[in-house]
Amino acid sequence: AQSVTQLDSQVPVFEEAPVELRCNYSSSVSVYLFWYVQYPNQGLQLLLKYLSGSTLVKGINGFEAEFNKSQTSFHLRKPSVHISDTAEYFCAVTPNRDDKIIFGKGTRLHILP
Amino acid sequence: KAGVTQTPRYLIKTRGQQVTLSCSPISGHRSVSWYQQTPGQGLQFLFEYFSETQRNKGNFPGRFSGRQFSNSRSEMNVSTLELGDSALYLCASSHGLAALPRETQYFGPGTRLLVL
Repeated sequence: AQSVTQLDSQVPVFEEAPVELRCNYSSSVSVYLFWYVQYPNQGLQLLLKYLSGSTLVKGINGFEAEFNKSQTSFHLRKPSVHISDTAEYFCAVTPNRDDKIIFGKGTRLHILP
Repeated sequence: KAGVTQTPRYLIKTRGQQVTLSCSPISGHRSVSWYQQTPGQGLQFLFEYFSETQRNKGNFPGRFSGRQFSNSRSEMNVSTLELGDSALYLCASSHGLAALPRETQYFGPGTRLLVL
């Protein structure tokens, strides 16, 4: 069975510092990978997704993620965070195009002034 | 274009009651997926409907059911509510099946259900 593990439930980081949110997945087949963001009291919004091709994926709001097949990871990064990045971030995977999307448990990003 | 709307936004029920939640997808979207979000379990997939047919189902008991109408609007029903059903219920819509590579799911703001 496929699964997604977000290694940190909470990540505090100072404003303007870089951040990395970690995501590992398990699957015996090729996968599509996603990162979503949930701002307080809102639904989820797609940040970026990896389907195939270049392993470095750029998304909205200055975020990017790198797919590493050998380490089965899809870590999310931003070189300089802003207070407005305070949110919960979810990594997700779908093992094939007819299956459901499986989400990780989320990582809360706290931006410190 | 209007986003995904969910009604009601907040709901309080007591154990044993039943509840119906509604989701209106983005115009032209034919797929609606439902998720349960809790602090302990995160986001868990409930089911996906496409063109009025259930296409995928998560690991939830039969008390959780859904349906989709010809205009793509969807409802989710939970019967015999339990305290553990307290959660944020999110729906998401997409043109085609959510897991297709070119699809993007658009989420509504959710319905927050509290079971007392």
